[in-house]
Amino acid sequence: AQSVTQLDSHVSVSEGTPVLLRCNYSSSYSPSLFWYVQHPNKGLQLLLKYTSAATLVKGINGFEAEFKKSETSFHLTKPSAHMSDAAEYFCVVSDFSGGYNKLIFGAGTRLAVHP
Amino acid sequence: NAGVTQTPKFRVLKTGQSMTLLCAQDMNHEYMYWYRQDPGMGLRLIHYSVGEGTTAKGEVPDGYNVSRLKKQNFLLGLESAAPSQTSVYFCASTGTFTDTQYFGPGTRLTVL
Repeated sequence: AQSVTQLDSHVSVSEGTPVLLRCNYSSSYSPSLFWYVQHPNKGLQLLLKYTSAATLVKGINGFEAEFKKSETSFHLTKPSAHMSDAAEYFCVVSDFSGGYNKLIFGAGTRLAVHP
Repeated sequence: NAGVTQTPKFRVLKTGQSMTLLCAQDMNHEYMYWYRQDPGMGLRLIHYSVGEGTTAKGEVPDGYNVSRLKKQNFLLGLESAAPSQTSVYFCASTGTFTDTQYFGPGTRLTVL
């Protein structure tokens, strides 16, 4: 079965410094992987998606993630944090094992950005 | 093109009351989903639908019922609300040949 582990429940950075949100996955086949962002009291917005076309995936708002099969990781990075990046981030893997499209969510990482 | 919308945005219920949450999508998507979000647990699938007139149980279906009478609408019902159902509920939809789900803005439900 597919699963996702987000290694940090909270990450705090200063504005202008790099962001690293860590995600490991478990999958019996080559999965689709996603990062979604949720700003306070808002819905979920798709940041980026990996579908095996390229291991480095660029998303919106300057975020990117690298798929590393040997490490079963899909970490999310951004070179320079902005105050507006403060939100909760979810690493997600797709699962078709039940015969339908299902998403498996990590527990989330809350990113705080300080001036 | 509104995407996925949810009604209502907020609701407070007393234990034992019933209510229905409405999800609507205008993208002609086949698949629709109901999730609940609780702190530290990500999103968990309650029920899903692979097409008009069909529904199935997800990971946490107990205490909920759903219906998909029209392709664009997916209703989530609570027949007898319990405090354990206090949560934020999200609806999502996706098309047949993709696994990217599009989410609604959520409904915050409190059961007293």
